[in-house]
Amino acid sequence: EPEVTQTPSHQVTQMGQEVILRCVPISNHLYFYWYRQILGQKVEFLVSFYNNEISEKSEIFDDQFSVERPDGSNFTLKIRSTKLEDSAMYFCASSDSGSGSFNSYNEQFFGPGTRLTVL
Amino acid sequence: GIQVEQSPPDLILQEGANSTLRCNFSDSVNNLQWFHQNPWGQLINLFYIPSGTKQNGRLSATTVATERYSLLYISSSQTTDSGVYFCAPGYSNYQLIWGAGTKLIIKP
Repeated sequence: EPEVTQTPSHQVTQMGQEVILRCVPISNHLYFYWYRQILGQKVEFLVSFYNNEISEKSEIFDDQFSVERPDGSNFTLKIRSTKLEDSAMYFCASSDSGSGSFNSYNEQFFGPGTRLTVL
Repeated sequence: GIQVEQSPPDLILQEGANSTLRCNFSDSVNNLQWFHQNPWGQLINLFYIPSGTKQNGRLSATTVATERYSLLYISSSQTTDSGVYFCAPGYSNYQLIWGAGTKLIIKP
C-alpha cells in the first residue's frame, strides 16, 4: 500500500542552524502539506502546496520557513534559523486532489513524522 | 476561524468496553477526517467521512454535517486502541483544522 515517508525520523540541531525536513508523498498525489505538533498539543497546519507553489499558509509559516519540490518525488520543509520554540513533530501529508469545488475534497495521508529538537 | 471541540478530553475504560467520542465544529466544512495517534506519535487515518456513516471492523463513524458534529464509536475496546483520537474537519478545500483530541486509555 502506498505511503508517505519522511526523513529523518529525529533531528537534533542547535538554535540558529538551518534544517531541512524531507518527505516523499504518495506518487500520484498532487497536493502536499506540512503540519506540526508541539509536544502535548494539537496538530497545527503550516502550509499546502500545489503545482509548484504555495496554496495556503498559516500565520505560523513566517519568513523563516520555506517549502520546495526539488524533483518529481521529494517535498521539503526548510527552517532557516531554528528557534527553541520550533521543537515539535513535523508531519508531511499528501492528497490526490483538492478541487476548487466547495463540495469536493480528498483524504489527506500522513507520514510518520520528523521529531525536531532544537537545543 | 472554525472552532473544533472534542469530548471527552480523557477517557479511561476497561478492555471490552464500548465508547463514543464526539467532535463539534462551528462552521460549514468541506470534509472531516478522524485519526488515531498511537503512543509512538504516528497519525493513523481512521475515517474520511464528510457525511453519513462508515464502519471499519470495531470502529464506526457518523458525521451530520448540517448539525456540525461527528461521532466515533469504538466497540469491544482493546489495549491497542489506547492513544489520542483527533477529529479534523477540512477547511478552505486544503487545510485540516484539528481538535485537541480525546486521550483514550484502555486498561487490561
